Amino acid sequence: DAKTTQPTSMDCAEGRAANLPCNHSTISGNEYVYWYRQIHSQGPQYIIHGLKNNETNEMASLIITEDRKSSTLILPHATLRDTAVYYCIVRVEAGGYNKLIFGAGTRLAVHP
Amino acid sequence: DSGVTQTPKHLITATGQRVTLRCSPRSGDLSVYWYQQSLDQGLQFLIQYYNGEERAKGNILERFSAQQFPDLHSELNLSSLELGDSALYFCASSAGLGYNSPLHFGNGTRLTVT
Repeated sequence: DAKTTQPTSMDCAEGRAANLPCNHSTISGNEYVYWYRQIHSQGPQYIIHGLKNNETNEMASLIITEDRKSSTLILPHATLRDTAVYYCIVRVEAGGYNKLIFGAGTRLAVHP
Repeated sequence: DSGVTQTPKHLITATGQRVTLRCSPRSGDLSVYWYQQSLDQGLQFLIQYYNGEERAKGNILERFSAQQFPDLHSELNLSSLELGDSALYFCASSAGLGYNSPLHFGNGTRLTVT
């Protein structure tokens, strides 16, 4: 399985950009990087995903290095409501099927 | 709102009992996934269905079973409940099976076994 490594926790000031790193050095050529977040005990919320190109949507930007061994999720203007656990996931293929395997994630605290 | 609906939101039951959790996927999504989240285990993948057929299994106990019906809603059945089964159970759905098909999660059912 392609595993990911994320910092356990990070802090960010409100209004500043939050840059969340993720290492996935064993990623395979056809595996996507996904980002989710979980606020308190709500269901995980899909943020963004990408294969090798940088991606942007209304929530965030995803920067993937050229060798695909790491990526960074950018929340351009963090707010208090962005305080959550952020999960970086490489979508795993197992037995012909693929699924999301969650790790421990990064606990992001946005403070005033 | 992800569009995935789970009922009930909360469930309290006693050890040894059986419960059924229900999930309605997003409109048009054919694939349904079940995950369990307990305090000490994080989010654990249980099982996946696609268009009524089981497609992948994770760490699902033999006491647990699931199915997906022709209208694509899914049910997770938990029997002979133990205290350790207390957890949040999340359902997710996706349009397809490919890597490029995001999962969208419901807000879960909180199960408490006393």
